[in-house]
Amino acid sequence: GESVGLHLPTLSVQEGDNSIINCAYSNSASDYFIWYKQESGKGPQFIIDIRSNMDKRQGQRVTVLLNKTVKHLSLQIAATQPGDSAVYFCAEATNDYKLSFGAGTTVTVRA
Amino acid sequence: GAGVSQSPRYKVAKRGQDVALRCDPISGHVSLFWYQQALGQGPEFLTYFQNEAQLDKSGLPSDRFFAERPEGSVSTLKIQRTQQEDSAVYLCASSHPGGGLPAFFGQGTRLTVV
Repeated sequence: GESVGLHLPTLSVQEGDNSIINCAYSNSASDYFIWYKQESGKGPQFIIDIRSNMDKRQGQRVTVLLNKTVKHLSLQIAATQPGDSAVYFCAEATNDYKLSFGAGTTVTVRA
Repeated sequence: GAGVSQSPRYKVAKRGQDVALRCDPISGHVSLFWYQQALGQGPEFLTYFQNEAQLDKSGLPSDRFFAERPEGSVSTLKIQRTQQEDSAVYLCASSHPGGGLPAFFGQGTRLTVV
């Protein structure tokens, strides 16, 4: 499943499929980006980050892609599991401490 | 502890009441942040500490909001004369001993002003 456009707040994906969550960021001066996962009643959990001198970074079952030309960030989750159901936020930083968060995408995994 | 700890988890305040929200960061973390998260939205930056110094408080919505970290570890966010629009989840985060990002968040305090 894939979320498209500037703001599609929900994504429904079949268990076992790959998920792609998209994010358009606003500030061309942003040089650091983080993806967070937030489950209901919990705080945001760090997933993966990327600096602006990179265009791709891989973690465990996750990959972040950065396209600075169009100010676009995506998070790919391989073999989506029920435990991946959550709200996913992209966050950008223009300095070494302040994060600006997007609106978030709610991912629901269908069994 | 292993993570950022916030207390209380839930707080109900009557309009006009003062509240104090506590944050225990990860041991040894230099940087500490407060964010406000309204229902259905992403967190919004409130303020930033490096050790005991408050380096940025530009996100505090009004002078009713005050944050402190007097000994460079535990932090308190105080809201005076609470109003209904203050209802939100208040998130505290800290970052690694070198400071800066990424920030690791606590579970938050859900404040409801009635």
